[in-house]
Amino acid sequence: NFMLTQPHSVSESPGKTVTISCTRSSGSIASNYVQWYQQRPGSSPTTVIYEDNQRPSGVPDRFSGSIDSSSNSASLTISGLKTEDEADYYCQSYDSSNHDVFGTGTKVTVL
Amino acid sequence: QLQLQESGPGLVKPSETLSLTCTVSGGSISSSSYYWGWIRQPPGKGLEWIGSIYYSGSTYYNPSLKSRVTISVDTSKNQFSLKLSSVTAADTAVYYCARLKVAAHNFDYWGQGTLVTVSS
Repeated sequence: NFMLTQPHSVSESPGKTVTISCTRSSGSIASNYVQWYQQRPGSSPTTVIYEDNQRPSGVPDRFSGSIDSSSNSASLTISGLKTEDEADYYCQSYDSSNHDVFGTGTKVTVL
Repeated sequence: QLQLQESGPGLVKPSETLSLTCTVSGGSISSSSYYWGWIRQPPGKGLEWIGSIYYSGSTYYNPSLKSRVTISVDTSKNQFSLKLSSVTAADTAVYYCARLKVAAHNFDYWGQGTLVTVSS
């Protein structure tokens, strides 16, 4: 099975931009879709990006996703940071055996 | 609006079997477009996929838990269930059920989660 590694935490000021990486340990990041979830304390996760770079309705366009095959990683970028974006973020993907894997999680702090 | 609701004991003794049920409302569990999954989160830690099931009964399990996990589906009740055997304190977690799109493996609907504590 593969792993998805994320930075433990990132912090930035309101209005700035943060980017969270998600590196796949084995297998190509481009072979299977990557999703990103936001989880606020005490709540269930919600999708902010699906299928690598698609936003569900209701998610602001400040959230964007991308894939970089050269580094075998996915990225979530949050621009125009707001205090309400403070949360834990998890990437998630899967393999050809339908085994799903979540990333290690990143805590975003808005200073 | 689709809703998922976990139910089951909040306290399980070590070495016993944890049993949870997820009831799906506002949609059919028999849709060919979705799997139905279980995910857990130990206190203060990250998310861990436990396993998923298709309405036909096909199952997919996390290799690290496979020897102890059984997921089943009851289409007549629009429910699916989780059994985790030989539990230890390390299995203490919030357990979520969720809907998983077959095509993209996006967990698009989640239950509220239920805390299961393993303790004597």
